Amino acid sequence: QQQVKQSPQSLIVQKGGISIINCAYENTAFDYFPWYQQFPGKGPALLIAIRPDVSEKKEGRFTISFNKSAKQFSLHIMDSQPGDSATYFCAAKSRGAQKLVFGQGTRLTINP
Amino acid sequence: EADIYQTPRYLVIGTGKKITLECSQTMGHDKMYWYQQDPGMELHLIHYSYGVNSTEKGDLSSESTVSRIRTEHFPLTLESARPSHTSQYLCASSTLAGGPLFFGEGSRLTVL
Repeated sequence: QQQVKQSPQSLIVQKGGISIINCAYENTAFDYFPWYQQFPGKGPALLIAIRPDVSEKKEGRFTISFNKSAKQFSLHIMDSQPGDSATYFCAAKSRGAQKLVFGQGTRLTINP
Repeated sequence: EADIYQTPRYLVIGTGKKITLECSQTMGHDKMYWYQQDPGMELHLIHYSYGVNSTEKGDLSSESTVSRIRTEHFPLTLESARPSHTSQYLCASSTLAGGPLFFGEGSRLTVL
């Protein structure tokens, strides 16, 4: 059972455009929603995270939008750059849980 | 930059060989994890540990075993490697308080 569903599986965006990756979850006990970025040959690294008490969190060009009622959250990359080309994973965790639940990953390519 | 190290980075071995993938972290984290990553990107948790002498199986069944004799060290062993074990293995760690996961760069295993 996939607890966090991520889409799309792959995404191609032109340089300067907006990249949007979506995730949906079922478990209403989730209270921590991070996004990880993975470059080829590297392990994933935490990019940005949000808790459900806010609807949006922005760090530079990266924004998480959170819709608690719809049980969805998304990553927006503004002014996408070729250096943003990577695989992105959403994840979720409930309070007291020891493990993150990861989405399936999105391979993002930014064309110059 | 996270201080979690995996060796070897790449390993090509024949069927039936015993292999150990090493993972060490210098952050004093109590929690450590092993993930198997498919070529199709998904991260599958195969083992985790909450501290010394604590090990648990993850969500994906694996023929590998792990040990946690020291806080900083969490090796993964395959007693008899098979081609089906060909994959990338990622080690990660976090604090008991539920902070972010820090990943190593991965060990890419190829079994011929």
